[in-house]
Amino acid sequence: EVQLVQSGAEVKKPGESLKISCKGSGYNFTNYWIGWVRQMPGKGLEWMGIIYPGDSDTRYSPSFQGQVTISVDKSLSIAYLQWSSLKASDTAMYYCARLHSNTWYIAWVDSWGQGTLVTVSS
Amino acid sequence: SSELTQDPAVSVALGQTIRITCQGDSLRNYYASWYQQKPGQAPVLVIYGKNNRPSVIPDRFSGSRSGNTASLTITGAQAEDEADYYCNSRDSSGRHYVFGSGTKVTVL
Repeated sequence: EVQLVQSGAEVKKPGESLKISCKGSGYNFTNYWIGWVRQMPGKGLEWMGIIYPGDSDTRYSPSFQGQVTISVDKSLSIAYLQWSSLKASDTAMYYCARLHSNTWYIAWVDSWGQGTLVTVSS
Repeated sequence: SSELTQDPAVSVALGQTIRITCQGDSLRNYYASWYQQKPGQAPVLVIYGKNNRPSVIPDRFSGSRSGNTASLTITGAQAEDEADYYCNSRDSSGRHYVFGSGTKVTVL
């Protein structure tokens, strides 16, 4: 069974750094793109970026370029999302998601992590 | 701003049919996938590709595409279908993924 298990909820202060994780199991971790999705309170889903664990090819959505860092440790089958200096506006639920594609024009998320709630408040 | 546009909210009477649309130029080249999200839960895939459903999704859910518009149809809506629905596809560059703005479905 494919599973993505995320790290637990975090409460941080503005300016602090943070790294959250997403561990994949039940499949060959290096063969599927993994993405991070933000959902601010009461708002919609937003792609932050995606990474291919096989070669660490990383693509940031334009709105998130320079704001976060996405990385992987393929030996541990873990993807990471990190911030160097959090802002109150980073308060949100963050999901990791596995992308599945069988052609260049068809792709979908077939597995989601349970979400990590990040709260940034002074 | 999202490159995929959805109506913010729609309502449907119990047992009736509802169509949720998603518009965007990239949909001329890429198929959309659709996700259902209920409060406090992670999204769930309901439709992908031309018109494919995961095995756990009821067959009252179906998908289609015409030009720059993808559609999700619920035929015979049930109370448990009340949720937010998001479309997803690549953007016009093909390098990034985008979600639609989401549609809140209310079953009356």
